[in-house]
Amino acid sequence: EVQLVESGGGLVKPGGSLRLSCAASGFTLSYAWMSWVRQAPGKGLEWVGRMRSKTDGGTTDYAAPVKGRFTISRDDSKNTLYLQMNSLKIEDTAVYYCAYRPFWGQGTLVTVSS
Amino acid sequence: DIQMTQSPSSLSASVGDRVTIICRASQGIGNDLGWYQQKPGKAPQRLIYAASSLQSGVPSRFSGSGSGTEFTLTISSLQPEDFATYYCLQHNTLWTFGQGTKVEIK
Repeated sequence: EVQLVESGGGLVKPGGSLRLSCAASGFTLSYAWMSWVRQAPGKGLEWVGRMRSKTDGGTTDYAAPVKGRFTISRDDSKNTLYLQMNSLKIEDTAVYYCAYRPFWGQGTLVTVSS
Repeated sequence: DIQMTQSPSSLSASVGDRVTIICRASQGIGNDLGWYQQKPGKAPQRLIYAASSLQSGVPSRFSGSGSGTEFTLTISSLQPEDFATYYCLQHNTLWTFGQGTKVEIK
């Protein structure tokens, strides 16, 4: 059974950093294209970025609002995907989901506030 | 970037009604489109993939159609558990979500 479990959310000040984790089970992360999606309070879904599978180069793409500040990486030994978020802004406040095909995690809340 | 325009943004309907939601892409995306349902406090769940294929376990009252730039999600007979927000998602070039359609009880 495929499961995705996000963790690492919390309260951080503007300009700060946070690393989110997405622990995967039921499939091998390195063979998957993985995405991060976020949802600000009361707002719609917004794609954040993705990592290609190892066989497709393992490269990453990012949405314009986070490019240069967020980085997606993967630890194959832990079957875990990461989202490193730097230079956080108030508008980054959202629930962050990782997604693989039809499978989504439960999300983790990131609050950026002074 | 591909933009997705979803309409309406909200609608009120009664149990048993037929409901149609439309998504238009700013450029052709083939059939690289999915439809998602989201209930408050929960992660989105995929209903339709490849524009018209029903996700396993999803009731047959949900259907999708379209290709290229215009897509439709239809709920043939609205049930109480269908009151939720629906999003389209294109994955032809990166990902773009529609703005969402909130389906409320009339």
